[in-house]
Amino acid sequence: KNQVEQSPQSLIILEGKNCTLQCNYTVSPFSNLRWYKQDTGRGPVSLTIMTFSENTKSNGRYTATLDADTKQSSLHITASQLSDSASYICVVTSPDYGNNRLAFGKGNQVVVIP
Amino acid sequence: GAGVSQSPRYKVAKRGQDVALRCDPISGHVSLFWYQQALGQGPEFLTYFQNEAQLDKSGLPSDRFFAERPEGSVSTLKIQRTQQEDSAVYLCASSLAEGAGSNEKLFFGSGTQLSVL
Repeated sequence: KNQVEQSPQSLIILEGKNCTLQCNYTVSPFSNLRWYKQDTGRGPVSLTIMTFSENTKSNGRYTATLDADTKQSSLHITASQLSDSASYICVVTSPDYGNNRLAFGKGNQVVVIP
Repeated sequence: GAGVSQSPRYKVAKRGQDVALRCDPISGHVSLFWYQQALGQGPEFLTYFQNEAQLDKSGLPSDRFFAERPEGSVSTLKIQRTQQEDSAVYLCASSLAEGAGSNEKLFFGSGTQLSVL
């Protein structure tokens, strides 16, 4: 069973609009939660990393939130641009995994249309 | 180079053929990871190196998969007697920190897309 669930699986939005992507996880205990952006045919690129004590972090038009009590995170994209079309992957780290493993979600596929 | 470099970018292999995928991590990065990513899925862990030591290979799906990093920099993932189910994107990632549990960023290469016919 995947310990990181993302929704919606895919999303089409108009350029200039905002959108919010959800990540629910069951990983426990918890070290940090990361959001990555993966363009088609490219490797994932880090957007944000949040520890247990952080509940929001921004990177330009991307804002991630974290509620460690409910084990939920969201990634909000403001004023979307065509270049935001990508898969957004939520990744959770647990010390129980040792140092070597990250729990990856399947990604939210976002398509921005003009 | 400025980032993680992987080669070849694309590889087509006939079933039963051996393949070798190369990863050049960012210079000085201690940790190196290999992941397998199927279409529409998130990356799945294969193996982890800390410098030249392979500390975790529990994600390798079979004994046909072998990875090495002999001098603690460049790594090679070898797949012997390829099967159709091996078709996937193979991603390499490196980090300055030991392991993936810290808050250090993990830098990914663009991957090698392997297609086994």
